[in-house]
Amino acid sequence: ETGVTQTPRHLVMGMTNKKSLKCEQHLGHNAMYWYKQSAKKPLELMFVYSLEERVENNSVPSRFSPECPNSSHLFLHLHTLQPEDSALYLCASSQELAGGPDTQYFGPGTRLTVL
Amino acid sequence: GQNIDQPTEMTATEGAIVQINCTYQTSGFNGLFWYQQHAGEAPTFLSYNVLDGLEEKGRFSSFLSRSKGYSYLLLKELQMKDSASYLCAVRDSNYQLIWGAGTKLIIKP
Repeated sequence: ETGVTQTPRHLVMGMTNKKSLKCEQHLGHNAMYWYKQSAKKPLELMFVYSLEERVENNSVPSRFSPECPNSSHLFLHLHTLQPEDSALYLCASSQELAGGPDTQYFGPGTRLTVL
Repeated sequence: GQNIDQPTEMTATEGAIVQINCTYQTSGFNGLFWYQQHAGEAPTFLSYNVLDGLEEKGRFSSFLSRSKGYSYLLLKELQMKDSASYLCAVRDSNYQLIWGAGTKLIIKP
């Protein structure tokens, strides 16, 4: 399998549930990202990891908890979410964290609905 | 604050040419990207500009003017499959990507 994969593709959860989103990249990249995409809004960067170390956390609520066990895998653990957290959650990877035409490659996303 | 502006929606005719504009105000500049996103799919990379001028890649071209904080994406010989959202993003001085909200392009026969 190539590129960036995400599971599940769709998730419906209640506000008291705990769930996890998984991302895997098969590109040998060193940086991985979590984004939130809401309708008609810009992509919101949530977390950035470089070589398995978190380097950016853009004031994301603690009900979102990332985990990066190795450079190929990234998780987003979810608990006690709110309905306004319903969105498309995109994972991306890039070769390095900065510089040059270092493009980000995106996974297909997880469509999350919080009831 | 940092800001990327692009039109919300545009409509064009199959076979025609369309230009999607993007203006930006960011803390520093380290490159501008255009991505294409079909409904329900992942954004995919289209182009990268870091120097002023036009970059051409097949039917798609991207232009940058750093002094004006302006870019455009030019799509020629439009095809129905070009119906998608087009996202403009700028890498700032912290090497973080700042994204626009995207332009939804509708192609009519």
